[in-house]
Amino acid sequence: EVQLVESGGGLVQPGRSLRLSCTTSGFIFGDYAVSWVRQAPGKGLEWVAFIRSKAYTGAVEYAASVNGRFAISRDDSRSIAYLQMNSLKTDDTAMYYCTRTKRILVVGEVRYFFDYWGQGTLVTVSS
Amino acid sequence: EIVMTQSPATLSVSPGERATLSCRASQSVSSNLAWYQQKAGQAPRLLIYGASTRATGIPARFSGSGSGTEFTLTISSLQSEDFAVYYCQQYDNWPPWTFGQGTKVEIK
Repeated sequence: EVQLVESGGGLVQPGRSLRLSCTTSGFIFGDYAVSWVRQAPGKGLEWVAFIRSKAYTGAVEYAASVNGRFAISRDDSRSIAYLQMNSLKTDDTAMYYCTRTKRILVVGEVRYFFDYWGQGTLVTVSS
Repeated sequence: EIVMTQSPATLSVSPGERATLSCRASQSVSSNLAWYQQKAGQAPRLLIYGASTRATGIPARFSGSGSGTEFTLTISSLQSEDFAVYYCQQYDNWPPWTFGQGTKVEIK
């Protein structure tokens, strides 16, 4: 059974840092990309960060709203993905979901979508 | 950035009835469109990808259609467990991956 379990959320003051973890099981972690998606209270879904599998360079992408402040990484030996969040703002308050991100080829073009999600970890940025 | 727009914002349906949800993209996304279901207090769950392919374990009463800029999710006969918020999401032009604002399906 595919499982993703987020941890590391909590209450943090503006300007401080937090690191989220996504511990996975039930699949070969190294074969998949991983993304983080967040949801502010009562709001919709917003993609935050993405990391390719090492087989496809392990390169990363970020939403404009977090670029330069957040960093996604992965430890394939432990099947864990991380989201390092620095210079946190009150607008970063949200539930953060880790997602297994599936790579497919569509007419020769690479596409990725989110096929399994964790239960999320809540980050509250407040003074 | 591709903007996804869902309608209606809220859909009131009686159990056993059919529900039709719409999603529009600001530019063509081909068939690179997914639908997710989110129940209250839970994580989203993938229902449909490739605009019309059901994900593993998704019941046949869920179906997706469309391509280009217009998409539809149909739930043929609503069950009690189907009352939730549904999001469409494009994965054609990335980054960023973008979601619609959601349609809440509530009990009439």
